[in-house]
Amino acid sequence: EAQVTQNPRYLITVTGKKLTVTCSQNMNHEYMSWYRQDPGLGLRQIYYSMNVEVTDKGDVPEGYKVSRKEKRNFPLILESPSPNQTSLYFCASSWSKESYEQYFGPGTRLTVT
Amino acid sequence: GQQLNQSPQSMFIQEGEDVSMNCTSSSIFNTWLWYKQDPGEGPVLLIALYKAGELTSNGRLTAQFGITRKDSFLNISASIPSDVGIYFCAGHVNDMRFGAGTRLTVKP
Repeated sequence: EAQVTQNPRYLITVTGKKLTVTCSQNMNHEYMSWYRQDPGLGLRQIYYSMNVEVTDKGDVPEGYKVSRKEKRNFPLILESPSPNQTSLYFCASSWSKESYEQYFGPGTRLTVT
Repeated sequence: GQQLNQSPQSMFIQEGEDVSMNCTSSSIFNTWLWYKQDPGEGPVLLIALYKAGELTSNGRLTAQFGITRKDSFLNISASIPSDVGIYFCAGHVNDMRFGAGTRLTVKP
């Protein structure tokens, strides 16, 4: 089954404790991205990757890092999480940046206290 | 960056009623898309529109790409309980922009 998986689905952590949210897709997509969803703000792009070893900032990259060492994986790293990073995070993938059909993962709800 | 204004923010309707929601922007987009997010899941693409004036249907859903390229509309006819969720519009020119969503509740 074609899918995007994220782990964990739920995470409660404390300020400053480094964490990683994993994302994996099995569709051989070149383009992957991370979004955060906040009430009243919709989906805002954090980072994206057009291919292996190619990453770029989205609209709200501050406080986040990503890596793309393999085509299928695109982890999101919070080196020192803060309460304002409490949000619902989605990973998405598509064939290319110009491909409009993005496949979204199920989401990761992160709470930073 | 381009801002999308989606309305209404939420809707409470009776099963069987028709639903309309829209998205407007001060900027022009080349593509308009509509996604649905079910509770606890990620958004799923419903309809993609590629040309100004285009009207496209997907079952009980109909969406239109506005002539000015600055707006789009989504209509759902004869709503059913499984239509519940958050509907997002998205516009694409150089990158994808999402509206804030319309939360739809359908009462049986």
